[in-house]
Amino acid sequence: EVQLVESGGGLMQPGGSLRLSCVGSGFSVSKNSMNWVRQAPGKGLEWVSSLHPGGDTLYADSVRGRFTISRDKSKNTLYLQMNSLRAEDTAVYFCARDLFMGGQGTLVTVSP
Amino acid sequence: EIVMTQSPATLSVSPGERATLSCRASQNVSDDLAWYHQTPGRAPRLLIYGASTRATGVPPRFSGSGSGTDFTLTVSSLQSEDFAVYFCLHYNDWPYTFGQGTKVEIK
Repeated sequence: EVQLVESGGGLMQPGGSLRLSCVGSGFSVSKNSMNWVRQAPGKGLEWVSSLHPGGDTLYADSVRGRFTISRDKSKNTLYLQMNSLRAEDTAVYFCARDLFMGGQGTLVTVSP
Repeated sequence: EIVMTQSPATLSVSPGERATLSCRASQNVSDDLAWYHQTPGRAPRLLIYGASTRATGVPPRFSGSGSGTDFTLTVSSLQSEDFAVYFCLHYNDWPYTFGQGTKVEIK
């Protein structure tokens, strides 16, 4: 059974950094397209970043240059390094294997 | 960026009735279209991908159709767990974008 467990969220001040993790089980993170999707409180969904099996990375304009997606094959874990955080980054962050989002998400709050 | 527009914003339906949701893309996305539903506090659940293929474990009362720019999700007989917000997503080209959602509520 495919499972995804996100962690690493929290309360951060603007300009701060945070690293989110997503541990996968039941499949190989490195052999699938892995993604981060976020949802601001009470709002819709935004596809934030993708990491393809070959190593290609994609970023939404809103985070390009500030966020970095990566993976650790040995830990079967996906990461999202978030730098220069802004208030508008406040959201629940979900990881996804291809189109499948199975975790509960992790809440990131950026506030003074 | 491709803009995805869902209609209606809210749909009031009685349990057991059919619900029909629409999603329109501002450009041709072929059949690279997925549908999700989401209940409060939960991750979006993938229902349909490839415009018409049900994801694993999704009941047959959910069906998707369409190609190009116009897509439809039909729930043939609404159950209590189906009252939720539904989102469409195109993944034809980067950036992938979601529609704003359709809330299906109990009439």
